[in-house]
Amino acid sequence: GAVVSQHPSRVICKSGTSVKIECRSLDFQATTMFWYRQFPKQSLMLMATSNEGSKATYEQGVEKDKFLINHASLTLSTLTVTSAHPEDSSFYICSAAGTGNTDTQYFGPGTRLTVL
Amino acid sequence: GDSVTQMEGPVTLSEEAFLTINCTYTATGYPSLFWYVQYPGEGLQLLLKATKADDKGSNKGFEATYRKETTSFHLEKGSVQVSDSAVYFCALSGGGSQGNLIFGKGTKLSVKP
Repeated sequence: GAVVSQHPSRVICKSGTSVKIECRSLDFQATTMFWYRQFPKQSLMLMATSNEGSKATYEQGVEKDKFLINHASLTLSTLTVTSAHPEDSSFYICSAAGTGNTDTQYFGPGTRLTVL
Repeated sequence: GDSVTQMEGPVTLSEEAFLTINCTYTATGYPSLFWYVQYPGEGLQLLLKATKADDKGSNKGFEATYRKETTSFHLEKGSVQVSDSAVYFCALSGGGSQGNLIFGKGTKLSVKP
């Protein structure tokens, strides 16, 4: 099946620093990638949708200047949390959908971000 | 807006017991419905899906039927195993133009030997 990787799996950073999370589709081309945030014992909340080569579409309430998303190729999308604060601590999950089939998403294993 | 409601856990069962995890949805239009599973320490995996009313999705002994009249997509398995212990998420394809998913809160299942 399709495989999506995320790196790093865990990151701890100081308040005010920026953190970059990578999401890669390993064996297929992902025209669309999604970034979710999951709080403890909560559902996944969609943050943004990105298409290769174009600007990401952010969900209401998500600060696009704080959560920078780049989808530079068909196999890589990055999420940068800028000037991170403790309230940004969360589990960030990406997913990828292949060409012509956005109905099925393949999920990465997630990245646990802890901001001190 | 569209939403998904699934039964809250945790659910604890003995091996070989029958499993039902309820899921109901609210949506405009005709969404596709999904069940995802998240094993400990791993990412979400698609378990099964159904794209139209009365469709039955099935995989690994799990089944769910898309019931438009009751707006439900309950997950069932006749005989659970310890290896089925995981968190199960019901989801629907949202109203966005690019297939974004709307998830329920997840139900943690623990199966004891």
